[in-house]
Amino acid sequence: GNSVTQMEGPVTLSEEAFLTINCTYTATGYPSLFWYVQYPGEGLQLLLKATKADDKGSNKGFEATYRKETTSFHLEKGSVQVSDSAVYFCALSDAMEGGSEKLVFGKGMKLTVNP
Amino acid sequence: EPEVTQTPSHQVTQMGQEVILRCVPISNHLYFYWYRQILGQKVEFLVSFYNNEISEKSEIFDDQFSVERPDGSNFTLKIRSTKLEDSAMYFCASNDRRNTEAFFGQGTRLTVV
Repeated sequence: GNSVTQMEGPVTLSEEAFLTINCTYTATGYPSLFWYVQYPGEGLQLLLKATKADDKGSNKGFEATYRKETTSFHLEKGSVQVSDSAVYFCALSDAMEGGSEKLVFGKGMKLTVNP
Repeated sequence: EPEVTQTPSHQVTQMGQEVILRCVPISNHLYFYWYRQILGQKVEFLVSFYNNEISEKSEIFDDQFSVERPDGSNFTLKIRSTKLEDSAMYFCASNDRRNTEAFFGQGTRLTVV
């Protein structure tokens, strides 16, 4: 079945540091890929997504590129801020291919950014 | 901005008791979901619900679980006889059609003692 493996934390960075959170997936077809973020005390929010190979999703300075050849969707940000402190989840869905609507998540990675 | 709301935010219950977790999805949404996350583990899909019936469920969603949309606005998850291993964060989500962003609630932390 489909699965997602992502870098586990927790990770602590200083403000303005570079961030990479690795995510790889296993799927039989061509899933859509997502990054969700959960800020303290809030629900999961969609951060960005990509629906086909070589697509780049971007939002709030974060980027991730759908790499079919390496089955990866790594999240990057060039300069993190204290407000980026949150838990980040990589996920996939094969709804676009007429498959299941459900999201398959990774374990999540807690990021703390210190001033 | 419309949001999915879940109540309560934290519930403690004794093993063997029934518990109902409540969710109010975004009003024009048609697809509803429950997920859970046991501490330190992955967020796992439990069930999806569309057109007043379950459209998909995971193997976790056994006879002890049920979902209902009793009044057109609430979407509930009932666990009939809770076990210690049901302790987790439960997330409700909804979206308005296939292949669109799912909006999540803030979660209910269920602790079974």
